[in-house]
Amino acid sequence: DQQVKQNSPSLSVQEGRISILNCDYTNSMFDYFLWYKKYPAEGPTFLISISSIKDKNEDGRFTVFLNKSAKHLSLHIVPSQPGDSAVYFCAASGWGSQGNLIFGKGTKLSVKP
Amino acid sequence: DTAVSQTPKYLVTQMGNDKSIKCEQNLGHDTMYWYKQDSKKFLKIMFSYNNKELIINETVPNRFSPKSPDKAHLNLHINSLELGDSAVYFCASSRRGDGPETQYFGPGTRLLVL
Repeated sequence: DQQVKQNSPSLSVQEGRISILNCDYTNSMFDYFLWYKKYPAEGPTFLISISSIKDKNEDGRFTVFLNKSAKHLSLHIVPSQPGDSAVYFCAASGWGSQGNLIFGKGTKLSVKP
Repeated sequence: DTAVSQTPKYLVTQMGNDKSIKCEQNLGHDTMYWYKQDSKKFLKIMFSYNNKELIINETVPNRFSPKSPDKAHLNLHINSLELGDSAVYFCASSRRGDGPETQYFGPGTRLLVL
């Protein structure tokens, strides 16, 4: 039973345009959400997070939006750069997960020059 | 400086063997984790551990056991390796407090059981 879902396995975007990666969750007890970026043969690297008391968090080119009523979050990358090409994992934690992260399956982003 | 390091990076071994993977963090964190990424690319928690408690994912076979000699290290021992244990294993760490935690990951250990 997947509690965190990333329904798009891949996304291709032109350099300079916006990349939007989506994530849905089913557990209403989740209260902290994170995005990780992963290059091949490396570990996931923390990118940005958002607490459930907020609906938006911005860090440079990266913005995460949270819609609690829809149990949906998204990561916006503007402008996209070829170096952003990687697999992006959405993760969630909260009461009931004992502090552990529950990951989605990932979305592979390709940014073309 | 590598914040979370794992050794070895690659491990190829025969079925039935016993092996260990080491993890060290220099972030001063008090909680460490082991995750498994299987062939379907799902990252799933296996263990979380701090100096107070070990929390085990109930789906993890008891052939897997974490050992922590000190707060900076959490090693993973695997007995009687099986073909299905082939996966990438990631160590992570965080600082447990009152608020939400961000976990930082190591580079992974690619285990292949033949």
